[in-house]
Amino acid sequence: DAGITQSPRYKITETGRQVTLMCHQTWSHSYMFWYRQDLGHGLRLIYYSAAADITDKGEVPDGYVVSRSKTENFPLTLESATRSQTSVYFCASSESTRGGGLETQYFGPGTRLLVL
Amino acid sequence: ILNVEQSPQSLHVQEGDSTNFTCSFPSSNFYALHWYRWETAKSPEALFVMTLNGDEKKKGRISATLNTKEGYSYLYIKGSQPEDSATYLCATRAGSYQLTFGKGTKLSVIP
Repeated sequence: DAGITQSPRYKITETGRQVTLMCHQTWSHSYMFWYRQDLGHGLRLIYYSAAADITDKGEVPDGYVVSRSKTENFPLTLESATRSQTSVYFCASSESTRGGGLETQYFGPGTRLLVL
Repeated sequence: ILNVEQSPQSLHVQEGDSTNFTCSFPSSNFYALHWYRWETAKSPEALFVMTLNGDEKKKGRISATLNTKEGYSYLYIKGSQPEDSATYLCATRAGSYQLTFGKGTKLSVIP
């Protein structure tokens, strides 16, 4: 199916475990983003990627690792999960920035992560 | 990190009422202002992207205006319907590739 998908949609894990959240898009968009959504904070950017093999930190990168070996995939790994990483995680993608900020971001359905 | 403020945080309106809410952002180094609509249990969907001072966009009963000199944007909904109930997010970009989102305005339309 075309679009942007995330897996798993729901995940329960324990403190200290490694968790990887997957994001896949079929539009060949250059840019991909990971956000977390927490009550009282809105959407906060964790990491983003401008193209394959190019990634950069966002507002709240600590405790997360990303990679982008293929344009269509942008996995997010929590190396050692903590309770403070309990959140809803959204992946998004957009076309390359030609006009400076004009590009709409398209969001995936989200992954609800609970760290016990 | 930019400071994007939205007000009010939430509001309840009767079906048929018109309503509006505000997004405030730093006016320096402005590139673009985005509005998104976010229904409960779904993902945010783009409404508008605006870049020019005085810009106005319209999509059905929803419209938005932009003032880049004073750093604000208004979103208007004419004749609110229950299906308009959602959280409306604004986001701005200034210089980097990152969008900074406000916390949103949660709209509830009462039938």
